[in-house]
Amino acid sequence: EAGVAQSPRYKIIEKRQSVAFWCNPISGHATLYWYQQILGQGPKLLIQFQNNGVVDDSQLPKDRFSAERLKGVDSTLKIQPAKLEDSAVYLCASSYEGQGGSPLHFGNGTRLTVT
Amino acid sequence: GQNIDQPTEMTATEGAIVQINCTYQTSGFNGLFWYQQHAGEAPTFLSYNVLDGLEEKGRFSSFLSRSKGYSYLLLKELQMKDSASYLCALVPDSWGKFQFGAGTQVVVTP
Repeated sequence: EAGVAQSPRYKIIEKRQSVAFWCNPISGHATLYWYQQILGQGPKLLIQFQNNGVVDDSQLPKDRFSAERLKGVDSTLKIQPAKLEDSAVYLCASSYEGQGGSPLHFGNGTRLTVT
Repeated sequence: GQNIDQPTEMTATEGAIVQINCTYQTSGFNGLFWYQQHAGEAPTFLSYNVLDGLEEKGRFSSFLSRSKGYSYLLLKELQMKDSASYLCALVPDSWGKFQFGAGTQVVVTP
């Protein structure tokens, strides 16, 4: 099966600019996650979707980050305006059930550098 | 959060065995997962425990003790390609919200 697709692979922007990341999950996976992984740390959940509804966005900095999954398939994550501390790898993941028994399948991530 | 604790780094020689411990502070959770992450790559699923006990998958095994609040990942017959970060993750509820530890960097030496 095709894996989780993410683009772009790398992005360099200046602070205060905006950026968007795209993710297409594995076909048939209802649950989609966006994680932020800062170098040397584990992935931190930003937002979780079940189909096109938000399950958890408690750790999403909503003053600058937004995400949508309008048709319950692919998703975009946007940062506007970016800050230096947003430099990280943004990982998209999907799972079949989202009920805790299905493993996450990760995309290759987008490495964001904010200068 | 679940205060997931893992050692930062472990070093072992090729062919040896290494045990990576993961401790947590949470009263209930749906499952505990282990992921492998090579530098610059995405995490990949290794193992999953729901019930107490040992789950074996080839050279990798994972153990869970809910009463003692810990899990470990056992890597046997280490190979150079096993050099990676190993992430422990809890799923605290039925909504599949994975919470990850900081990861343990395993360095395999010749």
